[in-house]
Amino acid sequence: AQSVTQLDSHVSVSEGTPVLLRCNYSSSYSPSLFWYVQHPNKGLQLLLKYTSAATLVKGINGFEAEFKKSETSFHLTKPSAHMSDAAEYFCVVSHSGYALNFGKGTSLLVTP
Amino acid sequence: DAGVTQSPTHLIKTRGQQVTLRCSPKSGHDTVSWYQQALGQGPQFIFQYYEEEERQRGNFPDRFSGHQFPNYSSELNVNALLLGDSALYLCASSLLASPATDTQYFGPGTRLTVL
Repeated sequence: AQSVTQLDSHVSVSEGTPVLLRCNYSSSYSPSLFWYVQHPNKGLQLLLKYTSAATLVKGINGFEAEFKKSETSFHLTKPSAHMSDAAEYFCVVSHSGYALNFGKGTSLLVTP
Repeated sequence: DAGVTQSPTHLIKTRGQQVTLRCSPKSGHDTVSWYQQALGQGPQFIFQYYEEEERQRGNFPDRFSGHQFPNYSSELNVNALLLGDSALYLCASSLLASPATDTQYFGPGTRLTVL
């Protein structure tokens, strides 16, 4: 069975400071891992994806994530938060093009 | 290039009624998946269609059914609506034959309210 655990339901950062959203995964296979973002009243947008190539994955809008097999983690980071980053972030695991298994989400608040 | 489109945007139904939601996949995509997102929760997988057949199904009752047409568009049908079916229903499309088969692109969703 595949699953992800997002370790924080809410994260608050000041504009210009680093962002860290934590995710641990559980998978019997070599997983595909994703981060999606959902802005209020908007659809889900793919931020980045890991598929067993480089362990450091760069995504859109300055986000990146590092796959650490020894720690079963796939944390999302950004060096400097922007007000427009405020949204709900989902860590997701999948195998071979079937169902995406979403975490419960982390709400990111960015304060001026 | 049009992305994934869904209709209608919003829908209000009463308990016991039936509803049909529609999805057009991203151009060139042949696989459609449906997800239910309850308020404050992550999306939950309902089922996936490929070549007009249900390829995989999540933990949802038989009241939830679907269909995929030859042009790859899809419908989600829910019978005997319950209050708990109120949610945002998301459609996602992907290309099965692509090396990046896991990448699913989402539509804006249909907000279903059951009264």
